[in-house]
Amino acid sequence: DAGITQSPRHKVTETGTPVTLRCHQTENHRYMYWYRQDPGHGLRLIHYSYGVKDTDKGEVSDGYSVSRSKTEDFLLTLESATSSQTSVYFCATGTSGGGAQYFGPGTRLLVL
Amino acid sequence: GDSVTQMEGPVTLSEEAFLTINCTYTATGYPSLFWYVQYPGEGLQLLLKATKADDKGSNKGFEATYRKETTSFHLEKGSVQVSDSAVYFCALSGAPSGGSNYKLTFGKGTLLTVNP
Repeated sequence: DAGITQSPRHKVTETGTPVTLRCHQTENHRYMYWYRQDPGHGLRLIHYSYGVKDTDKGEVSDGYSVSRSKTEDFLLTLESATSSQTSVYFCATGTSGGGAQYFGPGTRLLVL
Repeated sequence: GDSVTQMEGPVTLSEEAFLTINCTYTATGYPSLFWYVQYPGEGLQLLLKATKADDKGSNKGFEATYRKETTSFHLEKGSVQVSDSAVYFCALSGAPSGGSNYKLTFGKGTLLTVNP
C-alpha cells in the first residue's frame, strides 16, 4: 500500500458551510487524485494533481477546489457544501499518469 | 472518450464455484488495464493489472488477460471463497499515444457475494 491517510474519516456538516478534506501520503508519489463514490455512479474523478501546485479538473469538479502546496498533501475543499455532495470521498496516488493508483481509506461526508 | 463496461451484478456464487466478471473497454491508443477490489467500508485495492495486449495479470488466484482484439479484460477465478465477497472494479488508463494520461476510467463495479 502507498501509505495514504485521509482526514477526517467521517464528517457531518450543514448545507452552506465550507468543508476541507485532507489526503496525506508518505510514498512521495507525484500524482494525487480525489474521487467521489456514489451508488449507481461508481467512482468519479473530481480533481487531480500532477505535481506541487499543478492541478486540473476531473469530470465532476463543480463546487470543489483543490490545493497541493507540498508533495505529501492534497486538500479538497467544498466551498459551500450542498446535500448533493453527500458521498464517500477517496484520495488516490500514483507514480505515473498512466499507471496504477493506490487508494486511501475514504471519508464519509454527510451534508444535512 | 474512454469508457469501461462491466457486468453490474450482483453475482451470487457458492464457495468453490468458478467466477467470471466480464469487462470490455473503449479507448484510444494502448491503455493499461486494471482490476480493483473493494471490501465493505474500505478503499479500493489493486488486484491485478496488464499493460499490453496478451498480458495476463494474476494475483490471489484471480486472473485476467488483456485481449486487444475483443477489447476485453475479463476477471476469472477457479474456486471462489467466502472471503472473496466484495465489489470488483475494472479500470483503464490511457497511454501516451492517446486517451487520458492522468486518470483512470472505472466501470461501475460488480458486487460479488460468495455463500458457504
